Amino acid sequence: SQTIHQWPATLVQPVGSPLSLECTVEGTSNPNLYWYRQAAGRGLQLLFYSVGIGQISSEVPQNLSASRPQDRQFILSSKKLLLSDSGFYLCAWGGGGTEAFFGQGTRLTVV
Amino acid sequence: GENVEQHPSTLSVQEGDSAVIKCTYSDSASNYFPWYKQELGKGPQLIIDIRSNVGEKKDQRIAVTLNKTAKHFSLHITETQPEDSAVYFCAASKSGGSNYKLTFGKGTLLTVNP
Repeated sequence: SQTIHQWPATLVQPVGSPLSLECTVEGTSNPNLYWYRQAAGRGLQLLFYSVGIGQISSEVPQNLSASRPQDRQFILSSKKLLLSDSGFYLCAWGGGGTEAFFGQGTRLTVV
Repeated sequence: GENVEQHPSTLSVQEGDSAVIKCTYSDSASNYFPWYKQELGKGPQLIIDIRSNVGEKKDQRIAVTLNKTAKHFSLHITETQPEDSAVYFCAASKSGGSNYKLTFGKGTLLTVNP
């Protein structure tokens, strides 16, 4: 069966520090991968999606970047965090006319 | 691009009552409409979905209806229980082509009071 792993679960980082969040998927090959963010409200904002290794599409201009170095690995990064980067980050796979499976999320607090 | 509107943003019901959440979408080419439940501090989980070739789908206490002409779809929860309390999201996407994105509504916080 397919599983998605996302870590860490919580993270507190100072302003200006770098960020690396990792997501890996098991049990499927060539998945569509997504990074979403939930800010103070409840909405899910799509940040990045990837349909293959090295292929990244950005939905909104921001202080973050994404990379897909392997088929089932998706990484969210920042060189210098801002206070506004705080939020709940969710990785997902699937989508595109089918169900999307979400990870358990990372609560990021920038202080 | 697709735009999904979801109402209400909050909903409070008594245990045993029914709850209805409504969504509208803008892209007539969308053909897949899932509903997700998100409990506090967790990732969303699919609870039911419907495709555009079907008007209604049921799974025990939950059901989803779709009106393609009006471009709206609804989630119905009957005999609500306290464990149904969560945030619910609707979403829309289209299969095929190069569009791989699920567009979500802003969510509905459902509270079921014992």
